[in-house]
Amino acid sequence: EPEVTQTPSHQVTQMGQEVILRCVPISNHLYFYWYRQILGQKVEFLVSFYNNEISEKSEIFDDQFSVERPDGSNFTLKIRSTKLEDSAMYFCASKGRVNTGELFFGEGSRLTVL
Amino acid sequence: DAKTTQPPSMDCAEGRAANLPCNHSTISGNEYVYWYRQIHSQGPQYIIHGLKNNETNEMASLIITEDRKSSTLILPHATLRDTAVYYCIRQDQKLVFGQGTRLTINP
Repeated sequence: EPEVTQTPSHQVTQMGQEVILRCVPISNHLYFYWYRQILGQKVEFLVSFYNNEISEKSEIFDDQFSVERPDGSNFTLKIRSTKLEDSAMYFCASKGRVNTGELFFGEGSRLTVL
Repeated sequence: DAKTTQPPSMDCAEGRAANLPCNHSTISGNEYVYWYRQIHSQGPQYIIHGLKNNETNEMASLIITEDRKSSTLILPHATLRDTAVYYCIRQDQKLVFGQGTRLTINP
């Protein structure tokens, strides 16, 4: 069964450093998402991406964050100048059709900022 | 704003049916109801969705009231592996997760 894969599974970084989280969505999917979940809190929407541009972003997704689809397979989330409060699980998701709410999520990347 | 209301926690005995309620009284006519679950800290997993008819798949059944203001997710024979947080979500272009219901299946 096709799946969304994310790397790394866990990254530890120092405050102020840049981090890139990588995702390989399901191959024929066109709509991509990043969500995050701070420990003990709910899953929060960050950004959606389609046709090489951001479709929608939340208030959390400020200038510190950026997304990119550098090639035909990877979808990346870059966090510049990380802060302690960026520590969270980051989930990538994809879907194949615009009018469906069936998203396929990866297993997440745990980011720890020290 | 998740726009749905779910009990924060529920317990169910292994082998029994788990019935998880959700209130979505302000849902509009063309909005689907989606159910997801999250096992421990894994990525959310799609379970089922519906508009106004009851739905069933290999994982669960979804019962939607005639006025569409509420729905119930049914896990017919709950197992220990069904212990998870279950989310009832009104479809939007993005999914908005609330706090969900933490379902614990007890042996």
